Amino acid sequence: GIQVEQSPPDLILQEGANSTLRCNFSDSVNNLQWFHQNPWGQLINLFYIPSGTKQNGRLSATTVATERYSLLYISSSQTTDSGVYFCADFNDYKLSFGAGTTVTVRA
Amino acid sequence: GEEVAQTPKHLVRGEGQKAKLYCAPIKGHSYVFWYQQVLKNEFKFLISFQNENVFDETGMPKERFSAKCLPNSPCSLEIQATKLEDSAVYFCASSQGGIGIQYFGAGTRLSVL
Repeated sequence: GIQVEQSPPDLILQEGANSTLRCNFSDSVNNLQWFHQNPWGQLINLFYIPSGTKQNGRLSATTVATERYSLLYISSSQTTDSGVYFCADFNDYKLSFGAGTTVTVRA
Repeated sequence: GEEVAQTPKHLVRGEGQKAKLYCAPIKGHSYVFWYQQVLKNEFKFLISFQNENVFDETGMPKERFSAKCLPNSPCSLEIQATKLEDSAVYFCASSQGGIGIQYFGAGTRLSVL
């Protein structure tokens, strides 16, 4: 199956800072999703982004399917952005997840 | 409903006991997926359904795990004779079509003691 590599594994930010998270894929990207798992364990859909760029408030995502990567941008980070961010691609009839980026935003 | 509903939120079992988890997909969604999250960050696919039919069960440890999606009932995931390594959060997701956005429930945390 497809291999999903996320970087960095951990990120510590000061409130107000910007950051970029990355996902690399071993195979062509089909139907990519970004999730935020909050400290209570809930998985929240951020983006469904097979290709192109989307924006939602302070978050935006870009997927370059031909180059097998996707980026998640967090701007003006807030403490509520803390948690683990996962990318996952729908491949072989299931979602394959990366290992996540743990983001800690300090006040 | 408008969200994927999983019950119970937490389940504690002694080793060797049975555990049964439930999932009600979003109304109108034909596909249900079960994933196991272990070690905090690692997700493993278990099984998927298209309506009441098994679509893909390649991730299921078949000797102890079973799952069903019956009409007019929540889907279920059952673990017979639980082991310590079954301790994990079990997520259910649903989607309208087989390909497309998957919406996740809040998960069931299973602790096997």
